[in-house]
Amino acid sequence: DTEVTQTPKHLVMGMTNKKSLKCEQHMGHRAMYWYKQKAKKPPELMFVYSYEKLSINESVPSRFSPECPNSSLLNLHLHALQPEDSALYLCASSQDSIIASGTGELFFGEGSRLTVL
Amino acid sequence: QKEVEQNSGPLSVPEGAIASLNCTYSDRGSQSFFWYRQYSGKSPELIMSIYSNGDKEDGRFTAQLNKASQYVSLLIRDSQPSDSATYLCAVLPPGNMLTFGGGTRLMVKP
Repeated sequence: DTEVTQTPKHLVMGMTNKKSLKCEQHMGHRAMYWYKQKAKKPPELMFVYSYEKLSINESVPSRFSPECPNSSLLNLHLHALQPEDSALYLCASSQDSIIASGTGELFFGEGSRLTVL
Repeated sequence: QKEVEQNSGPLSVPEGAIASLNCTYSDRGSQSFFWYRQYSGKSPELIMSIYSNGDKEDGRFTAQLNKASQYVSLLIRDSQPSDSATYLCAVLPPGNMLTFGGGTRLMVKP
């Protein structure tokens, strides 16, 4: 069983909808990440939170808005998405920021599969 | 040139054979290297990490690193059908985030 929990597992939304993806971890990790993964492609980094502060935004369009309410929770708010945003959205966590620690151990959740109509 | 390159495959091996997965990287300053396994429809899972030149063994898995050649490989001995998955090579350049290769799809045929 994964220790990073993502909800919902599947989401279908229209281009005018507002929805949120949620991620929770109880491993005491201080860094959390959002990745986007298209079919047969590697995960692409979107955002990094370290100690509840946004430390990396990989030039993600503003229709994606991350939020870190506390050290265990990470949200991704979605608004006015495009069909090309359909993908698997993966949340991950690590003990400390990978850049700071030099270790590459990410714990991934099962992902939220998003379809934008 | 991509920062981390892998042959996309599929690499097909018979059950019981050795599967050899290869990866090259461009940032010569990289010090940390990882292999993630991703089953179809699932999330990636770390299976090996290697930081020094040479071999590192863990059960049926052996990671090999050659920093001079900027080359990382993963050997899977006694391959099983349950090893069928996509294997992602990941490299950690200094002061930067993890960079994933495109992944190699491995198929182990019974």
